[in-house]
Amino acid sequence: DAGVTQSPTHLIKTRGQQVTLRCSPKSGHDTVSWYQQALGQGPQFIFQYYEEEERQRGNFPDRFSGHQFPNYSSELNVNALLLGDSALYLCASSLGRPGNEQFFGPGTRLTVL
Amino acid sequence: AQTVTQSQPEMSVQEAETVTLSCTYDTSESDYYLFWYKQPPSRQMILVIRQEAYKQQNATENRFSVNFQKAAKSFSLKISDSQLGDAAMYFCAYRSPNNNDMRFGAGTRLTVKP
Repeated sequence: DAGVTQSPTHLIKTRGQQVTLRCSPKSGHDTVSWYQQALGQGPQFIFQYYEEEERQRGNFPDRFSGHQFPNYSSELNVNALLLGDSALYLCASSLGRPGNEQFFGPGTRLTVL
Repeated sequence: AQTVTQSQPEMSVQEAETVTLSCTYDTSESDYYLFWYKQPPSRQMILVIRQEAYKQQNATENRFSVNFQKAAKSFSLKISDSQLGDAAMYFCAYRSPNNNDMRFGAGTRLTVKP
């Protein structure tokens, strides 16, 4: 049973560029959440997608956007990258209602130069 | 807004000994979930243990147990018979029952000495 997978593993971009991160949920899961984990900090909730729509959003600017596909996989897009966007981006999948357990992927390390 | 505080940035334990990691949280809700996650150098967050606030009994998973004090808003993790593989960052997290926003503490780095 494949767990949550994310690609790429590492990514280096320059300020002002745009980036797309990808996530495939655990088999059978229909909900994907994205978190940003800055160095030395705990993860912060960006948003969650369910049935191809953004169900809830954390305190992140509109430069952060996402998408969920019919197969439940998801993308996180960040436009106009800032140095402060450098972080580990974690994807977590779950099933159905909001309170169900979330399973995390290994993350994508984004470095903005 | 709910906040989670982990006051121990680093902890160290001798192999086979017991260690307790602290976590406090702030909320006005009466029903919620609390979690401890482990994040090894591989970066993948692994659920260690989960506690529902309406349950008075403390959760236990093998060598891992919690001391849940609802009135004090405290949720500590005890690791018994520590093993080298327990070395990792440990995060305490809070979630409302109908909310998708999981709030994490800043983490505690646990070192296990052989």
